Amino acid sequence: DTEVTQTPKHLVMGMTNKKSLKCEQHMGHRAMYWYKQKAKKPPELMFVYSYEKLSINESVPSRFSPECPNSSLLNLHLHALQPEDSALYLCASSQADSQGRREAFFGQGTRLTVV
Amino acid sequence: GESVGLHLPTLSVQEGDNSIINCAYSNSASDYFIWYKQESGKGPQFIIDIRSNMDKRQGQRVTVLLNKTVKHLSLQIAATQPGDSAVYFCAEKELGGYNKLIFGAGTRLAVHP
Repeated sequence: DTEVTQTPKHLVMGMTNKKSLKCEQHMGHRAMYWYKQKAKKPPELMFVYSYEKLSINESVPSRFSPECPNSSLLNLHLHALQPEDSALYLCASSQADSQGRREAFFGQGTRLTVV
Repeated sequence: GESVGLHLPTLSVQEGDNSIINCAYSNSASDYFIWYKQESGKGPQFIIDIRSNMDKRQGQRVTVLLNKTVKHLSLQIAATQPGDSAVYFCAEKELGGYNKLIFGAGTRLAVHP
């Protein structure tokens, strides 16, 4: 099983809403990632969790709040977003740095629209 | 041919030709590189990877070349097929870099029959 599952696939939310994106993997990977991707641009790293601890925050605004409840799950809590936050949000997982091959496997993404 | 503009660079090739997609990276400390393929509406899909102690690695119909001297990576696709049409990204990671995987700008490959 090399699958990373993201829910929901599409999300429309208002600027005052609170919503959460969810990501799950069962590959035993101990590194999990959130990326944001705008149209015609590369994925842009937001957060990295290593062994369930936040190891990288790429200066992401506090209206995005990540959470890693266990080694298989990764959430991204959204609050008071702006229309410019509309994008494809991608979750990925990989073996943690010291464990050999480190390719990241990506989910299909959540297409987020902020209205 | 290749075009660069306000949008993603595009490489247009005829079906059956070989394709070469290039990537320049900036971090001298990067020691692991991955090529991803992304089709419209989907997440990036792993194609092939290479460590910095290698300069070439081959897969099925794909070859990655790494030139550390000029910090350049290329992806060669043999006998390009219509199903290869997608956006291709290179990504780099530092050893001990807290699993920080950073993507390059991307190239759109358009395969014409």
